[in-house]
Amino acid sequence: DIQMTQSPSTLSASVGDRVTITCRASQSISSWLAWYQQKPGKAPKLLIYKASSLESGVPSRFSGSGSGTEFTLTISSLQPDDFATYYCQQYNSYWAFGQGTKVEIK
Amino acid sequence: QVQLQESGPGLVTPSETLSLTCTVSGVSITSSSYYWGWIRQPPGKGLDWTGSFYYNGSPYYNPSLKSRVTISVDTSKNQFSLKLTSVTAADTAFYFCARGRRGDPFDIWGQGTMVTVSS
Repeated sequence: DIQMTQSPSTLSASVGDRVTITCRASQSISSWLAWYQQKPGKAPKLLIYKASSLESGVPSRFSGSGSGTEFTLTISSLQPDDFATYYCQQYNSYWAFGQGTKVEIK
Repeated sequence: QVQLQESGPGLVTPSETLSLTCTVSGVSITSSSYYWGWIRQPPGKGLDWTGSFYYNGSPYYNPSLKSRVTISVDTSKNQFSLKLTSVTAADTAFYFCARGRRGDPFDIWGQGTMVTVSS
């Protein structure tokens, strides 16, 4: 099984900050990596697929990079609507999620 | 507009079988362009993939649940279902159904339904 590990688990930041979240896979997943945003009581929302492709309708301040086993999600200028929990997910072999990173207000 | 809606009992007795249905509108579950799946989330915890399938293909199940989980399809109602046997309190979770584009991750999710396992 492929294990996904995110860091940090919690991140405190202010509006306007540049934020980076890291996701590591236990083995190579090429670029088969997605990022989701989830707010309390809501379903996850797809932000990024194939490691760096922006889903339609997602603001351009979100970007993804990486391949193989190391990936990052970057929010270039944090907005009030971005305080949420973020999950990475591999879909190279079955499907598996990271444990999540909560972005909270500093 | 594609929509997915989960339905089923909100309370299940320990050792019994959890049964949920996902009703899909706006697209046929028989389309070869998509796959379908179930994801669960214990309260306050992370997302846990349960199982997925392509229509006309064999389903894929999370190895940690493989002996207890079954996904089935009802094309006449454009629905797919989840059955999880021998449930315990550890199966208490929000259960989401979702759609994925072939070769891509889940892009459309249902709103989720909470299932509590308790006597």
